Amino acid sequence: ETGVTQTPRHLVMGMTNKKSLKCEQHLGHNAMYWYKQSAKKPLELMFVYNFKEQTENNSVPSRFSPECPNSSHLFLHLHTLQPEDSALYLCASSIADTQYFGPGTRLTVL
Amino acid sequence: GIQVEQSPPDLILQEGANSTLRCNFSDSVNNLQWFHQNPWGQLINLFYIPSGTKQNGRLSATTVATERYSLLYISSSQTTDSGVYFCAVERSGGYQKVTFGIGTKLQVIP
Repeated sequence: ETGVTQTPRHLVMGMTNKKSLKCEQHLGHNAMYWYKQSAKKPLELMFVYNFKEQTENNSVPSRFSPECPNSSHLFLHLHTLQPEDSALYLCASSIADTQYFGPGTRLTVL
Repeated sequence: GIQVEQSPPDLILQEGANSTLRCNFSDSVNNLQWFHQNPWGQLINLFYIPSGTKQNGRLSATTVATERYSLLYISSSQTTDSGVYFCAVERSGGYQKVTFGIGTKLQVIP
């Protein structure tokens, strides 16, 4: 247990669906992140929020839409995804030098 | 961007054996972390070590920043050490542009 929770843990969706991933931390961390982990590829940083403000968007397609309503919660809204978007989506939070990861959401796009 | 190479890509150990995992990076860094991802996908930070040596139980890590590499040592390996070990670096402080290596997949057999 790292103190970072993610829901749902597994998600299967069609290409026309809209769904959201949720991340929550009550560690007092001021930064939160979304990562994508695909098979045989390094973790890819998608979005970074510092104090609820988005500070990084690594050229992520607009079908992924992040939302950070407060420093404890982070959402990733999904719509019209493609099968190649199937992956493990990891949330992390940090303060100072160390990142703490959630357990991930295993997403399958049919 | 910065390149991160990890070796070996795969490693099989007999329980009780020792091993060394290596991370090479192509430019100077401010942050370097080692992570372990268990077979269920949970990433746990092991060390924050931009330079120097740290030890935590059976694990230790050394980063030689001037030569742009870091080593993770696992002694007296156990089956619970199985999983993927990632090195992650960041140049400018914080985790705004963190880069992960592709990982070393370790299997410890009884």
